[in-house]
Amino acid sequence: AQSVSQHNHHVILSEAASLELGCNYSYGGTVNLFWYVQYPGQHLQLLLKYFSGDPLVKGIKGFEAEFIKSKFSFNLRKPSVQWSDTAEYFCAVNRVNDYKLSFGAGTTVTVRA
Amino acid sequence: ETGVTQTPRHLVMGMTNKKSLKCEQHLGHNAMYWYKQSAKKPLELMFVYNFKEQTENNSVPSRFSPECPNSSHLFLHLHTLQPEDSALYLCASSLHLQVNEQFFGPGTRLTVL
Repeated sequence: AQSVSQHNHHVILSEAASLELGCNYSYGGTVNLFWYVQYPGQHLQLLLKYFSGDPLVKGIKGFEAEFIKSKFSFNLRKPSVQWSDTAEYFCAVNRVNDYKLSFGAGTTVTVRA
Repeated sequence: ETGVTQTPRHLVMGMTNKKSLKCEQHLGHNAMYWYKQSAKKPLELMFVYNFKEQTENNSVPSRFSPECPNSSHLFLHLHTLQPEDSALYLCASSLHLQVNEQFFGPGTRLTVL
């Protein structure tokens, strides 16, 4: 079964600090990769996605993620976080042409002002 | 606002009650999904509908009964639930099954007493 691992359960950092959240998946075939964010009290929304092409993907709100196929990883980064980035972040993966998305358990990010 | 609405937003029910969760999408999508989100666990896919036809039942207990009368509406009927069924139930939709970007509703926070 395909699984998605997010290494950090809870990350606490100060404003302007850099953020990197790890995501690894176990499936070895061709995959699509996603990062979703869930702000407090709000719905899950897509931050960015990778289907093919340039492995460095730019998303909304200054986020980016890099797909490293050899490491089965899709880490999320932001060079300088803001208080408003406080949220829960979910990595998700699916095989190409398979609608089933596998989600990681999520990483809670708390940004202190 | 993603174009996917869910009602009610909060629900408290006893183990002998019968209730229903409703999801509606205004995006013209053809695929709809039910997920269960429990604290610190990955989202669990429960059911998938494509053009009103159920394509996935991910070993969900029969006390959860989905209904999809048309491509815009999805219901989850609940009866004789257990306290461990308490969770956030998320509805999502995508344009087609093979279009992997899913749009999520805000969820229904269910508490079973």
